[in-house]
Amino acid sequence: DQQVKQNSPSLSVQEGRISILNCDYTNSMFDYFLWYKKYPAEGPTFLISISSIKDKNEDGRFTVFLNKSAKHLSLHIVPSQPGDSAVYFCAAHNAGNMLTFGGGTRLMVKP
Amino acid sequence: EAGVAQSPRYKIIEKRQSVAFWCNPISGHATLYWYQQILGQGPKLLIQFQNNGVVDDSQLPKDRFSAERLKGVDSTLKIQPAKLEDSAVYLCASSLDSGTGLIYGYTFGSGTRLTVV
Repeated sequence: DQQVKQNSPSLSVQEGRISILNCDYTNSMFDYFLWYKKYPAEGPTFLISISSIKDKNEDGRFTVFLNKSAKHLSLHIVPSQPGDSAVYFCAAHNAGNMLTFGGGTRLMVKP
Repeated sequence: EAGVAQSPRYKIIEKRQSVAFWCNPISGHATLYWYQQILGQGPKLLIQFQNNGVVDDSQLPKDRFSAERLKGVDSTLKIQPAKLEDSAVYLCASSLDSGTGLIYGYTFGSGTRLTVV
């Protein structure tokens, strides 16, 4: 039972353009959503989070949008840079203190 | 600040052998997590500690996996006996507390890549 899904395994974007990574979830009890970035042979690195009571959170080039009615969140990276090439995971938290991760999307930013 | 330290980085064992992983979280972080990441999948929580007490171990295969956090600092995760399907990266993460971890994220170590042959 995959409660958090990232349906696009990979995404390729030109440098300077916008990258949009999507995530869908099924559990309406999730109260926090987080995005992590992972480079090969390293642990995931936290990027940005959003509470379920908000619909947008911004931090520099990264913005996360939450659409609760659609049970959908997205991460926007503007402008995309080659150093952003990595695997991106969305994760959702429930009151039971468990963080459930999606399967990841590999982003490739071409110079 | 120093990050989350994990050792070893790589381990290859035969099935039915035992193996142990070690994690040293960031100083002062009360909450410690062990995750299992199978190739091509997202990390899956195995166990969560708050200080030296277990908060959640519902997804830990207790017939073969065990974990402890001595004195609320370092932690070890053990597998005995290992199966082929245990091949994965085992990630340790920590946060000041579970609430702070949601706003500022957990800090992950680089992980231990286990191959069971």
